[in-house]
Amino acid sequence: SQQGEEDPQALSIQEGENATMNCSYKTSINNLQWYRQNSGRGLVHLILIRSNEREKHSGRLRVTLDTSKKSSSLLITASRAADTASYFCATEPNTGNQFYFGTGTSLTVIP
Amino acid sequence: GAGVSQSPSNKVTEKGKDVELRCDPISGHTALYWYRQSLGQGLEFLIYFQGNSAPDKSGLPSDRFSAERTGGSVSTLTIQRTQQEDSAVYLCASSFVMGPTEAFFGQGTRLTVV
Repeated sequence: SQQGEEDPQALSIQEGENATMNCSYKTSINNLQWYRQNSGRGLVHLILIRSNEREKHSGRLRVTLDTSKKSSSLLITASRAADTASYFCATEPNTGNQFYFGTGTSLTVIP
Repeated sequence: GAGVSQSPSNKVTEKGKDVELRCDPISGHTALYWYRQSLGQGLEFLIYFQGNSAPDKSGLPSDRFSAERTGGSVSTLTIQRTQQEDSAVYLCASSFVMGPTEAFFGQGTRLTVV
């Protein structure tokens, strides 16, 4: 399977704390993306990092990519209750344009 | 519409019946993807359409599943002789193909086979 894996599977933190989620994947990629899903419905794109980038920021989000380890991390700083959701990484292999999603991390931010 | 539209939003069907799920991608997006998500699980890739190229059907779980995309736009995912294990949320996404790009998702169809 080309599916990636996130860890932890579930994470519960207090509002204001930082949340870190990790993603590991198996194949060489063109880029890696992080998505957020609320209530088991549609996913919303958060951030994209290309294979030649090592770190990217967007607002309270910070993404790192280590292609030698085939891993990425998503850091959400100063978390809010509204950040409660499931977070998925998606990889675009360099053999095609499909997106393969990881298993997801369920984040709960306690007010 | 401005986003990816899926219909129906919910579908309850009896085991053994056929179902059709529809996806209207964003206008101009040449790539279209179908995924399946079981309760509390990740997204399972099903099928990928890109322009006029032959679709990548490598994720379809059995020959009961098929999909088509007419005129490079609307797509229909058909599940024949539904089984209880087919119960899941079926998500459609579309994107541009040129360059690194994000996928835009519909809200999904929740299929329940009873």
